[in-house]
Amino acid sequence: EIVLTQSPATLSLSPGERATLSCRASQSVSSYLAWYQQKPGQAPRLLIYDASNRATGIPARFSGSGSGTDFTLTISSLEPEDFAVYYCQQRSNWPPLTFGQGTRLEIK
Amino acid sequence: EVQLVESGGGLVQPGGSLRLSCAASGFTVSSNYMSWVRQAPGKGLEWVSVIYSGGSTYYADSVKGRFTISRHNSKNTLYLQMNSLRAEDTAVYYCVRDGYNVGYFDYWGQGTLVTVSS
Repeated sequence: EIVLTQSPATLSLSPGERATLSCRASQSVSSYLAWYQQKPGQAPRLLIYDASNRATGIPARFSGSGSGTDFTLTISSLEPEDFAVYYCQQRSNWPPLTFGQGTRLEIK
Repeated sequence: EVQLVESGGGLVQPGGSLRLSCAASGFTVSSNYMSWVRQAPGKGLEWVSVIYSGGSTYYADSVKGRFTISRHNSKNTLYLQMNSLRAEDTAVYYCVRDGYNVGYFDYWGQGTLVTVSS
């Protein structure tokens, strides 16, 4: 099973700042990685798939990069609605699909 | 518009059974990979099971032999039969569509809470 480790666990930033979230895989997942956003009381929402492709309707301030074992989700300029928990997920070698433990992005 | 509506959650005793349903609209369940993903209270996401468009099914080790995923094509509905429930199965269960049929989840239901407790 591929283990995904996200860092940091919590990121405190202000609106307008740039956010950089990391996800590291225990073995190569090629580019088969997605990012999801989850707000309190809501289901997750797909942001990025195949490491760098934005899902339908996702604003351009969200971007993904990386391949192999190291991946990054960048939010170029934080909006108030971006403060949430973010999860990475791999589909390289599944089943099982696996998720990272999440990064909480909070308002500073 | 794609919609997924789960039902069937509730309180069940350890060792008991429960069947979750997910009524889909706006697309055909049998045309996509469909999964169940769960989230224990205050915890992260855990993939539980998938049924491929061709009908093959797979499970997380934590539920293998206890849970069964299925679908009813004419009702356009996905199911999760959960037997021998344990306290650690307590979670919100999400029905999810894999619109890409490769392992990414583009639509999620609102979730249904399953609580296993005596």
